[in-house]
Amino acid sequence: GAVVSQHPSRVICKSGTSVKIECRSLDFQATTMFWYRQFPKQSLMLMATSNEGSKATYEQGVEKDKFLINHASLTLSTLTVTSAHPEDSSFYICSASAGVSNQPQHFGDGTRLSIL
Amino acid sequence: LAKTTQPISMDSYEGQEVNITCSHNNIATNDYITWYQQFPSQGPRFIIQGYKTKVTNEVASLFIPADRKSSTLSLPRVSLSDTAVYYCLVGGFTGGGNKLTFGTGTQLKVEL
Repeated sequence: GAVVSQHPSRVICKSGTSVKIECRSLDFQATTMFWYRQFPKQSLMLMATSNEGSKATYEQGVEKDKFLINHASLTLSTLTVTSAHPEDSSFYICSASAGVSNQPQHFGDGTRLSIL
Repeated sequence: LAKTTQPISMDSYEGQEVNITCSHNNIATNDYITWYQQFPSQGPRFIIQGYKTKVTNEVASLFIPADRKSSTLSLPRVSLSDTAVYYCLVGGFTGGGNKLTFGTGTQLKVEL
């Protein structure tokens, strides 16, 4: 149980392109989903928290117009990197939580984004 | 959010028990302690979670003292495939979900 699917696993695209990443909770309802970014040999950095049906809460320093997050249902959240540039290249990981204190977050397998 | 401190790296050999300790001095009353394992280019995988005392599952044990200011993840009889980064996190339901902050993690290297 508690499977989170993230798609695509890898994206390579040209600078200026917008890229959408999907995160789905397959066997539970995720009231909250989180988006992280991870650079090589570094820890995960929380970018934003999204609750179903409401606007995402972004961490300090994360541009909300650059990283658009939509959480339209209890099983799907999307992250769109708009007008991506090489410095946006990174490993993006989502996680989902049922929103209950004793239920842990479950993570997707990440999306490797490479901007040429 | 509670800050966690854990060793940057640990080395072990196959078949040994590995204990990774994490300190979290400012843990809050409603915080749970959760450990994740991460392999390169994969998302973190849930290992174990606890609130107090001891928790055991099929892959690990988690020891939490009464003051909850630290916790120890115990991996019995490690194998080469246990080489990974292990993260200790504390967090609780805040109404907006279980917001977690990842620390540096512990790079465990298991050798023959």
